[in-house]
Amino acid sequence: LAKTTQPISMDSYEGQEVNITCSHNNIATNDYITWYQQFPSQGPRFIIQGYKTKVTNEVASLFIPADRKSSTLSLPRVSLSDTAVYYCLVDQTGANNLFFGTGTRLTVIP
Amino acid sequence: NAGVTQTPKFQVLKTGQSMTLQCAQDMNHEYMSWYRQDPGMGLRLIHYSVGAGITDQGEVPNGYNVSRSTTEDFPLRLLSAAPSQTSVYFCASSYSNGISLNTEAFFGQGTRLTVV
Repeated sequence: LAKTTQPISMDSYEGQEVNITCSHNNIATNDYITWYQQFPSQGPRFIIQGYKTKVTNEVASLFIPADRKSSTLSLPRVSLSDTAVYYCLVDQTGANNLFFGTGTRLTVIP
Repeated sequence: NAGVTQTPKFQVLKTGQSMTLQCAQDMNHEYMSWYRQDPGMGLRLIHYSVGAGITDQGEVPNGYNVSRSTTEDFPLRLLSAAPSQTSVYFCASSYSNGISLNTEAFFGQGTRLTVV
């Protein structure tokens, strides 16, 4: 399993766009990049997944450069309810045997 | 459709006691797994199952047993609880068709276990 590196914590004001970058230098050809969100006292929740270029859904966007050695999760116009820990995962099995690092603790400030 | 249901939500055990953490999913997912999460850390895989009758060890399997007699249920057993097993336990399930990798895992709400 490729390991990932992400900032331990980030602060942002409400209404701003937040970009969380994840490094995964050892990513393999078959690996997908997946982001999960975890609120306190809850299980992680799937946000977005991609393989290359850009993926967008109703919650976030995921930017992956051509070399795939990093990825950036973009949260548009964050609100207080976006305060959570965000995990970047790289895995070739999609959703099985997930390897979670320590994640990025995002705090949204009023 | 309840998703992934874990019981109990909270449990206190004495050292040496045994108990079973229950996990059930109603999404007909083949793949189920158990994770533990210690304070300030990410989730670590304990055991997983790719289908009924098939289980395997994850990253931190010692002290835990699992079985998978049905598609829906995947209980986690602690045979002799130790303080080091104090943690929050999460069960997850996902659809695994062996071809598409674009799948997501669904997690339960967790069981907070304290061993004294």
